[in-house]
Amino acid sequence: QKEVEQNSGPLSVPEGAIASLNCTYSDRGSQSFFWYRQYSGKSPELIMSIYSNGDKEDGRFTAQLNKASQYVSLLIRDSQPSDSATYLCAVLDTGGFKTIFGAGTRLFVKA
Amino acid sequence: DGGITQSPKYLFRKEGQNVTLSCEQNLNHDAMYWYRQDPGQGLRLIYYSQIVNDFQKGDIAEGYSVSREKKESFPLTVTSAQKNPTAFYLCASTRRGLKETQYFGPGTRLLVL
Repeated sequence: QKEVEQNSGPLSVPEGAIASLNCTYSDRGSQSFFWYRQYSGKSPELIMSIYSNGDKEDGRFTAQLNKASQYVSLLIRDSQPSDSATYLCAVLDTGGFKTIFGAGTRLFVKA
Repeated sequence: DGGITQSPKYLFRKEGQNVTLSCEQNLNHDAMYWYRQDPGQGLRLIYYSQIVNDFQKGDIAEGYSVSREKKESFPLTVTSAQKNPTAFYLCASTRRGLKETQYFGPGTRLLVL
């Protein structure tokens, strides 16, 4: 069974701090990785995708990928109370048809 | 506006009843997916369809059925065989390709009376 593991949290950070969210995956052949944000009672929305080892930056968000360690992370700089949500790590399996989701990490940003 | 619509937003099911959740997309996406989300859990794949008139079981297909008669539509039926149907149901779609991301509908919350 292919798995995506995340720390369920909650992770609490003060406003303006850096929030660091981590994820590991079991399918060594995976090539596509995604971070979704999900507010309570709402559907997930894509915030970052990453396909190559290294860092990818988009505004306050940075995704980091290390395929050798099977590890993906998301950094949120200058965290805002509006960033408070559950962050889902997702990995497209080797076949390219199925996306496997982690259980999510709950983030609280305190004003 | 392009997007994915799901209806209804809330659905109540009586014991022994089959209910159908609607999912429609106007994004011209080939692939469509149904997920189930329980409180504090990630998304679990129920069924998916890569092309019209073809679909495959996901990880938790028992007690569910689907059809894909049109590219735009992928309805999910929760049958009476599904003994614990209370959950948040999400429909998603994507273009075909290894780097294509999934777009989600707003979800349907199913509750058992």
